[in-house]
Amino acid sequence: DGGITQSPKYLFRKEGQNVTLSCEQNLNHDAMYWYRQDPGQGLRLIYYSQIVNDFQKGDIAEGYSVSREKKESFPLTVTSAQKNPTAFYLCASIGDSSAEAFFGQGTRLTVV
Amino acid sequence: GEDVEQSLFLSVREGDSSVINCTYTDSSSTYLYWYKQEPGAGLQLLTYIFSNMDMKQDQRLTVLLNKKDKHLSLRIADTQTGDSAIYFCADVSGGSYIPTFGRGTSLIVHP
Repeated sequence: DGGITQSPKYLFRKEGQNVTLSCEQNLNHDAMYWYRQDPGQGLRLIYYSQIVNDFQKGDIAEGYSVSREKKESFPLTVTSAQKNPTAFYLCASIGDSSAEAFFGQGTRLTVV
Repeated sequence: GEDVEQSLFLSVREGDSSVINCTYTDSSSTYLYWYKQEPGAGLQLLTYIFSNMDMKQDQRLTVLLNKKDKHLSLRIADTQTGDSAIYFCADVSGGSYIPTFGRGTSLIVHP
């Protein structure tokens, strides 16, 4: 079955560490997105990529980095520069036909 | 930037209809979506409507779009306890393909 897979589901990070969240899709979608979800704030766009080897900052890119070396993969690194990283992170991809966004099941990151 | 607004909470009794409202500011929105999120999960597409449509019905779901007022609503008929979740409104502009989401409306269904 086609879809988006995020891993891990839960992630714990010590202060000062970088961590990488995985997002893989087998939908053959060109565009991929990372959102951060905090209670009462909805989804805020961190980074997006509309084609391989290219990506753009979203509204809250500071303290995050991404890469897009393969069409299927769009990993997100939460760096030590991100001051408040505890949140639920969602990855999405969009196909060309309907602009429907398909979502992964999310990664909950907690700083300990 | 462009904005999507929703009320944060809605409480209904089981069997009643629920109406969740959304307003958006982007006049070039071409697709408007409703997503459902259950606790600890990703977002699941419920339904969508193209900007040249006024209404779309899909089983218990009815979407109404007032393009002049930039107002979108989702009506759930015969609401069940399993409908309790957060519902997100989203729009996508024709050129950018970047979805913009509202804050989500928490629907609570009482038995």
